[in-house]
Amino acid sequence: KQEVTQIPAALSVPEGENLVLNCSFTDSAIYNLQWFRQDPGKGLTSLLLIQSSQREQTSGRLNASLDKSSGRSTLYIAASQPGDSATYLCAVVNYGGSQGNLIFGKGTKLSVKP
Amino acid sequence: GAVVSQHPSWVICKSGTSVKIECRSLDFQATTMFWYRQFPKQSLMLMATSNEGSKATYEQGVEKDKFLINHASLTLSTLTVTSAHPEDSSFYICSAETRRFNEQFFGPGTRLTVL
Repeated sequence: KQEVTQIPAALSVPEGENLVLNCSFTDSAIYNLQWFRQDPGKGLTSLLLIQSSQREQTSGRLNASLDKSSGRSTLYIAASQPGDSATYLCAVVNYGGSQGNLIFGKGTKLSVKP
Repeated sequence: GAVVSQHPSWVICKSGTSVKIECRSLDFQATTMFWYRQFPKQSLMLMATSNEGSKATYEQGVEKDKFLINHASLTLSTLTVTSAHPEDSSFYICSAETRRFNEQFFGPGTRLTVL
């Protein structure tokens, strides 16, 4: 059974710092991996999607990498800003199962202090 | 980008009543939509997969007679919580799947509080 773990559970950094959020998954047979952002009481915003054949994706100050063989992904946020404060969720879709069944980690709650 | 809306954004109801939540894909057609539930400080858990024109597929432990799903068109899926009880109070989020890489786009969520 696929399990997704995110470390750390919470992170507080000063504005301007570069940071890394970690995601690990137990079954490397994934179709893709997505990083999401969730603001309090809100739905999810998709940040980056990495196909299983890709190693990384970039969008603005965000860079996500994928090492499928080791079951790891990292989300790198450059020059963090207070507006980046949110919970970041990592989710995978397995091969072989329901193609749409996203399996989520519990998230990393990020606080960027001005 | 792909936009998904949900209505209502929040609802408060009395125990025993039924509540309907709508999920719409605004600028694309979605043959598949998903319904998730999120309890406080927990991650999202998939409740059911909704395919246009067919019966929904429910995850283990989710009562299909309690959570009625209808996917009547390529842009609309509804979730009806029947005879709601306080333990059904949660944040319900839908998503719609695009054909491109099976990427999912999420609605803003519906906060349900059952008194």
